Amino acid sequence: DQQVKQNSPSLSVQEGRISILNCDYTNSMFDYFLWYKKYPAEGPTFLISISSIKDKNEDGRFTVFLNKSAKHLSLHIVPSQPGDSAVYFCAADPPGKLIFGQGTTLQVKP
Amino acid sequence: GAGVSQTPSNKVTEKGKYVELRCDPISGHTALYWYRQSLGQGPEFLIYFQGTGAADDSGLPNDRFFAVRPEGSVSTLKIQRTERGDSAVYLCASSLTGTGLVSFGSGTRLTVV
Repeated sequence: DQQVKQNSPSLSVQEGRISILNCDYTNSMFDYFLWYKKYPAEGPTFLISISSIKDKNEDGRFTVFLNKSAKHLSLHIVPSQPGDSAVYFCAADPPGKLIFGQGTTLQVKP
Repeated sequence: GAGVSQTPSNKVTEKGKYVELRCDPISGHTALYWYRQSLGQGPEFLIYFQGTGAADDSGLPNDRFFAVRPEGSVSTLKIQRTERGDSAVYLCASSLTGTGLVSFGSGTRLTVV
């Protein structure tokens, strides 16, 4: 059973436009979420996080939104840049482990 | 070191052989994690160490998999009698205390032929 789901395997956007990556989770006890970015042949790198006491967290071009009632979070990247092309994973953070979604491959076209 | 270091970066082994994968966490990090990532999937939790002890090994798929961290720093993931289904990227990560930011290594790509 997949507790964290990213239902879109891939997304393609034009440079300068907004990228929206979605993530759903099933366990209402999850209270902390993270987004990681992964380039080929590298490990995931932390991008941004959000606690369940908030519904939005912003860091530069990256904003994460959390809808607890819908058990849904999304990552917005605006404006998107070609260097943002990578695989993006959302993860829930129960103590001691991260539970990852399957990932979404983002391609930003120049 | 500056980041989490994993060796080797690539390992090809024959079915049935034994392999060891090494992880050097960030200096001073007490928490260490092993994950496995198969093609098209997200990283899957295997085991979590707090210091020298395995605090949670619930993700190890079977008793062919074992991990140690004898001095609370370097960790080794050991796989006995490897099977083709064990082929994946094995990721190690560490964090300062077990909460907060987790930093990943680049992984070891294991291929069982």
